[in-house]
Amino acid sequence: EDQVTQSPEALRLQEGESSSLNCSYTVSGLRGLFWYRQDPGKGPEFLFTLYSAGEEKEKERLKATLTKKESFLHITAPKPEDSATYLCAVRTGGGADGLTFGKGTHLIIQP
Amino acid sequence: DTEVTQTPKHLVMGMTNKKSLKCEQHMGHRAMYWYKQKAKKPPELMFVYSYEKLSINESVPSRFSPECPNSSLLNLHLHALQPEDSALYLCASSPPYSPLHFGNGTRLTVT
Repeated sequence: EDQVTQSPEALRLQEGESSSLNCSYTVSGLRGLFWYRQDPGKGPEFLFTLYSAGEEKEKERLKATLTKKESFLHITAPKPEDSATYLCAVRTGGGADGLTFGKGTHLIIQP
Repeated sequence: DTEVTQTPKHLVMGMTNKKSLKCEQHMGHRAMYWYKQKAKKPPELMFVYSYEKLSINESVPSRFSPECPNSSLLNLHLHALQPEDSALYLCASSPPYSPLHFGNGTRLTVT
């Protein structure tokens, strides 16, 4: 059975304090690892897709990396508006199979 | 605003009621999904439609009945729900092998 584990469950940082979120996965065949951001009462907002070990993607203060066993979401000099729940998800099946999500990391950036 | 539109945003229904959730996208995506999300939990896959045909049903109780009238619309018919079915119901769409685009969900309360 596919498993996606995110850590930590919650993280509180000061504004400007960089850190990393972890997503470890155990799957039969990875067809993509996805990072989403979710604000309270909203649907998940797509951030990045990673397909192969060694791949990296960047967007503003966020950088996602992928190894054969885990992915990291690095947040550099975060701002209060980066506060959200960050979800990691994997696709292991065909092109129209759904994603399996981890439980997420609840990130709070204090001014 | 997202490109996947869900209505209504909020719904309160009794256990004997029949109601429907609606989802619409005009991005030409041929895969559409229903997810259920309880508070402080990750989204859980319920159904997948691929080219208007039901391709995945994750052992969802029959009181939830999906329908895909055309390539842009997805409905979820609800009947005889239980209070534990109260949750955020998310619709998503995607091209093959691509990230899912989520709507902002319908907040359902069953009384």
